[in-house]
Amino acid sequence: EDKVVQSPLSLVVHEGDTVTLNCSYEVTNFRSLLWYKQEKKAPTFLFMLTSSGIEKKSGRLSSILDKKELFSILNITATQTGDSAVYLCAVEGFSGTYKYIFGTGTRLKVLA
Amino acid sequence: ETGVTQTPRHLVMGMTNKKSLKCEQHLGHNAMYWYKQSAKKPLELMFVYNFKEQTENNSVPSRFSPECPNSSHLFLHLHTLQPEDSALYLCASSQALAGASETQYFGPGTRLLVL
Repeated sequence: EDKVVQSPLSLVVHEGDTVTLNCSYEVTNFRSLLWYKQEKKAPTFLFMLTSSGIEKKSGRLSSILDKKELFSILNITATQTGDSAVYLCAVEGFSGTYKYIFGTGTRLKVLA
Repeated sequence: ETGVTQTPRHLVMGMTNKKSLKCEQHLGHNAMYWYKQSAKKPLELMFVYNFKEQTENNSVPSRFSPECPNSSHLFLHLHTLQPEDSALYLCASSQALAGASETQYFGPGTRLLVL
């Protein structure tokens, strides 16, 4: 059965800390892995990863994929209170039809 | 209007009511999706439309009925729902169907409460 597992489920840090969020997956015919940030309602897209070992960066956020060990990490450096959100990992796979499988998310709270 | 819009943003309905959720995308995308997000559960894919044709129905109860009159609009018709159907319903779109490693863009969601 396809599944995506994120850890930790929740995390509380102070401003300036660095955090690492984890996403492991078991998906038939992996196509891509996506990270989203969900603050109040709609998830907003962060990264799409398709190749192992190539880091993607956007400001203080970065992410990398390991297709051999079947996981991805999302790093946030110098965290700010505005980073407080739920971070969702989704994996695109194929098992009869193409689909996205989402993890439950990691709830990050950054304290001032 | 930009991106993906959804109306209404909040909806309270009784179990005997009939209501509809609307999604509109202004991105020129060809694929549209309905997701359900319940508390403490992963996003669940409900329906997928590609070029107005339904391509996937993930064992969703018949009290949820989707409609896609064109590539820009997607509806979710609700009838005789149950309290456990209370959730955030998210619409998303992508340029092409999942499988082309396309990024999905989400609407703001409709928060549904069934009494």
